[in-house]
Amino acid sequence: AQKVTQAQTEISVVEKEDVTLDCVYETRDTTYYLFWYKQPPSGELVFLIRRNSFDEQNEISGRYSWNFQKSTSSFNFTITASQVVDSAVYFCALSEIGYSTLTFGKGTMLLVSP
Amino acid sequence: DTAVSQTPKYLVTQMGNDKSIKCEQNLGHDTMYWYKQDSKKFLKIMFSYNNKELIINETVPNRFSPKSPDKAHLNLHINSLELGDSAVYFCASSQAVESSPLHFGNGTRLTVT
Repeated sequence: AQKVTQAQTEISVVEKEDVTLDCVYETRDTTYYLFWYKQPPSGELVFLIRRNSFDEQNEISGRYSWNFQKSTSSFNFTITASQVVDSAVYFCALSEIGYSTLTFGKGTMLLVSP
Repeated sequence: DTAVSQTPKYLVTQMGNDKSIKCEQNLGHDTMYWYKQDSKKFLKIMFSYNNKELIINETVPNRFSPKSPDKAHLNLHINSLELGDSAVYFCASSQAVESSPLHFGNGTRLTVT
């Protein structure tokens, strides 16, 4: 059975600090997909990134970067120079081959204060 | 212009009532979903439909009945509402492949009093 663990329930940082959100997953499949979503205080769920299990290259998008390490079953998300607008709940999710349904972690609430 | 729209945004009702939430997507996706987000923010799949056919039904009480009149619509009807049904319900859609990200509606906050 697949499982996604986000051990950090809540993280508080001051603006301009870097912050890393951890995600560890479990799956029996060799082919799978990992996702990150953002849920700001307004409540909508915003897709951030998708990574497939065969692509271990790190990805950077502006202040956001993702580190996928198959050896440790982790897909961590780093925000560089955090801003107040980054305050949100961030979800890591997994889909396995043959299923488009996502299994979500419990989310990490990030609070960025000025 | 909205990709996945669900109505209403807020729903306040009393125990025992029956209510429906509507969802429509204009992305041309084959698969639609209902997720429930509880007070601790945990997101859990309830149902998944592919081309109007039920694919996944995750241990949801049979008071919850999804209906998909066509592949662009997936409505959720809830009978005999209970206090524990209070949550935010999200509709989503995607292509019918595991690599496809889900596109979510803005959620319906259901409060049962």
